[in-house]
Amino acid sequence: DGGITQSPKYLFRKEGQNVTLSCEQNLNHDAMYWYRQDPGQGLRLIYYSQIVNDFQKGDIAEGYSVSREKKESFPLTVTSAQKNPTAFYLCASSIVDTENTEAFFGQGTRLTVV
Amino acid sequence: GEDVEQSLFLSVREGDSSVINCTYTDSSSTYLYWYKQEPGAGLQLLTYIFSNMDMKQDQRLTVLLNKKDKHLSLRIADTQTGDSAIYFCAEIFGGYQKVTFGTGTKLQVIP
Repeated sequence: DGGITQSPKYLFRKEGQNVTLSCEQNLNHDAMYWYRQDPGQGLRLIYYSQIVNDFQKGDIAEGYSVSREKKESFPLTVTSAQKNPTAFYLCASSIVDTENTEAFFGQGTRLTVV
Repeated sequence: GEDVEQSLFLSVREGDSSVINCTYTDSSSTYLYWYKQEPGAGLQLLTYIFSNMDMKQDQRLTVLLNKKDKHLSLRIADTQTGDSAIYFCAEIFGGYQKVTFGTGTKLQVIP
């Protein structure tokens, strides 16, 4: 079955450590996205990528980094520079199409800094 | 950036209709979407409407679009406890592939 998979579902990190969240899709989608969700704030875009080896900052990219070495994979690294990393992180993918773009979402990773 | 606004919370009784509202800012939006998020999960597409339409009905769901006022609404008829979730509206800008989501409305259905 085609889909988008995030792992792990829950992640704990000590302050000062970097941590990488995984996102894999087998939908053959060109575009992938990372969102952060905080209570009462909805979704905020961290980074997105429309093609392999290219990505753009979203609204809240500071303290995060990404790579897009393969079409299927778009890992997100939360660095120690991110001041408030505890949140629910959602990865999504879509075809790059100007007529109709539906985003498909993973199940999310809940990151807690301890 | 562009803002998409929603009220944060809505409470309805089981069997009543729910109306979730959304205002958006970019008049060039091509499609407007409604997504549902159940607790601890990702988002699932519920329905969408093309910007040249005023209304779309899909079983218990009715989407109304007022382009003049940039107002989108989702009506859920005969609301059930399984409809309890957070609902996000989202707009797609024709020409670029970034999706902008609203702040989400948490729907609580009281038995």
